[in-house]
Amino acid sequence: GAVVSQHPSWVICKSGTSVKIECRSLDFQATTMFWYRQFPKQSLMLMATSNEGSKATYEQGVEKDKFLINHASLTLSTLTVTSAHPEDSSFYICSARAPRGSGRPYEQYFGPGTRLTVT
Amino acid sequence: KQEVTQIPAALSVPEGENLVLNCSFTDSAIYNLQWFRQDPGKGLTSLLLIQSSQREQTSGRLNASLDKSSGRSTLYIAASQPGDSATYLCAVNIEGTALIFGKGTTLSVSS
Repeated sequence: GAVVSQHPSWVICKSGTSVKIECRSLDFQATTMFWYRQFPKQSLMLMATSNEGSKATYEQGVEKDKFLINHASLTLSTLTVTSAHPEDSSFYICSARAPRGSGRPYEQYFGPGTRLTVT
Repeated sequence: KQEVTQIPAALSVPEGENLVLNCSFTDSAIYNLQWFRQDPGKGLTSLLLIQSSQREQTSGRLNASLDKSSGRSTLYIAASQPGDSATYLCAVNIEGTALIFGKGTTLSVSS
């Protein structure tokens, strides 16, 4: 089956610094990836849709200048949390959409998540 | 805007019981409906995916049904086990868009 990896799996950073999270589709090409955020005991909230070679589409209320998304290749999307603050501490999960021609179109494959703690 | 609701929010049952988790969505024009399992502090495990043209999917002790016209899905777990304890998430998407998640049902199965 399709595999999506994330790196790092967890990260602790100081307030004011920037953190980059990588999302990779390991055995397929993904023109579209998605970034979600999950606060403790909450569900996953969609942050943005990342399309290869174009600008990301952000959901309402998500600051595009704070959460920089780059989808430079068909297997890699990155999320950079700039000037991180303690309220940005959360579980960030990416997913990659199944390629066209796959058996189950529009299925999303999820990475294992990255836990960010900002001190 | 699509909204996904899951009932109940939490459920505690003794081992061996059969149980049903409910999911409803406001926009019936969905493409896929997926059920996931999430253990505390972990990522998502996909359990079942139902395409809009299907009515149910089965995997082992799990059976998910979909009534697209009424905007409902159920996840049936047979002969529950303590290892089934987790949060179960329901998610839907419209063609080409991202999955939208419900808040989940946290299941606790006692031995």
